[in-house]
Amino acid sequence: GAVVSQHPSWVICKSGTSVKIECRSLDFQATTMFWYRQFPKQSLMLMATSNEGSKATYEQGVEKDKFLINHASLTLSTLTVTSAHPEDSSFYICSASGGADEQYFGPGTRLTVT
Amino acid sequence: AQRVTQPEKLLSVFKGAPVELKCNYSYSGSPELFWYVQYSRQRLQLLLRHISRESIKGFTADLNKGETSFHLKKPFAQEEDSAMYYCALDPFGGATNKLIFGTGTLLAVQP
Repeated sequence: GAVVSQHPSWVICKSGTSVKIECRSLDFQATTMFWYRQFPKQSLMLMATSNEGSKATYEQGVEKDKFLINHASLTLSTLTVTSAHPEDSSFYICSASGGADEQYFGPGTRLTVT
Repeated sequence: AQRVTQPEKLLSVFKGAPVELKCNYSYSGSPELFWYVQYSRQRLQLLLRHISRESIKGFTADLNKGETSFHLKKPFAQEEDSAMYYCALDPFGGATNKLIFGTGTLLAVQP
């Protein structure tokens, strides 16, 4: 099946700094990528949808200036958490879709803000 | 509001016993429903979706619009079925892949 990778798998950063998370589709072209966050013992919550070459669409309640999403190519999307705070600590998961097909999930990135 | 409810956080059964993982949704339109599975130390992956009406690894799920349910069933559980199971809904009928997830049920199959 199709493979989606995320880098890094875990990151620790200091409060006030920014951190970038990469999501790559390794063997297919992802026209759409999705970013989710998951707090401990809670469900995955969709943050935003990004289509290659266009601005991301954010879900209600998600600050677009804080969570910058770039989908510059058909195989790469990045999520940058700007001015991170401890409450941003979470598990961030991306998924990618090549169209109306199944979406494939990455392994996730655990962010800890100290 | 659109919502997916999985009432059981943990379901423990013995090998060979029947399994039913419950999923209820609240949505007034015609959603597409999915079941995703996450095995230990692995990523989330699609198990089955309503529209395909397939049986995957012995699991089936029937959409009951009257009860707004999409319960996942398997007649005889196997130890390798132990995993986290998430029910999900696409309110756009599967057209957008924008998913709303339930909180998940951890299935533990005892030997």
